[in-house]
Amino acid sequence: RKEVEQDPGPFNVPEGATVAFNCTYSNSASQSFFWYRQDCRKEPKLLMSVYSSGNEDGRFTAQLNRASQYISLLIRDSKLSDSATYLCVVGAYGGATNKLIFGTGTLLAVQP
Amino acid sequence: NAGVTQTPKFQVLKTGQSMTLQCAQDMNHNSMYWYRQDPGMGLRLIYYSASEGTTDKGEVPNGYNVSRLNKREFSLRLESAAPSQTSVYFCASSGTGAPSGANVLTFGAGSRLTVL
Repeated sequence: RKEVEQDPGPFNVPEGATVAFNCTYSNSASQSFFWYRQDCRKEPKLLMSVYSSGNEDGRFTAQLNRASQYISLLIRDSKLSDSATYLCVVGAYGGATNKLIFGTGTLLAVQP
Repeated sequence: NAGVTQTPKFQVLKTGQSMTLQCAQDMNHNSMYWYRQDPGMGLRLIYYSASEGTTDKGEVPNGYNVSRLNKREFSLRLESAAPSQTSVYFCASSGTGAPSGANVLTFGAGSRLTVL
């Protein structure tokens, strides 16, 4: 089993749709959780950190479920500019950066 | 603009040739990293430097060497390139502080390396 697993997609959705991605992780000792966004042939960029209580940033909502060991990302009112690959990142041991594990990413394509 | 700069952006090598990827950051970050990204796989850590003067192996260090030249610069060297090292390489840096703050990575634009 991979340490961090994501559905690779692609998720093809129309503009204005709501779309959700899940990511599961295998290490129950994981302490930090993030979503990064990566545009085609570009570098990953931090989208948002994921906190235990859940957090929201505009149209984006991230949730953490420690009991089931997954994190989720919800995008409301999808825009064409949201088309990208979304990377789930999990800190495996207490926050040491060298232990960050990246998922392979979920590709989102927002259609006009 | 502040950030992470890496060079070259593209490089084609023949098997057995050597090259160095350069990376510099101007955010006064302590920690720097080299990752590789291959299709169907998540980013994998090659080497990292938690602070100036220290370097440590990551998940896939074989065939690579690094140098933390100073706080700003962290280079990755391929001594004898192999086709398996064809990949996109990303340099990244992070600051210190709370664990979540330390883990936020800022990436360079990437270097696409092809080894024939």
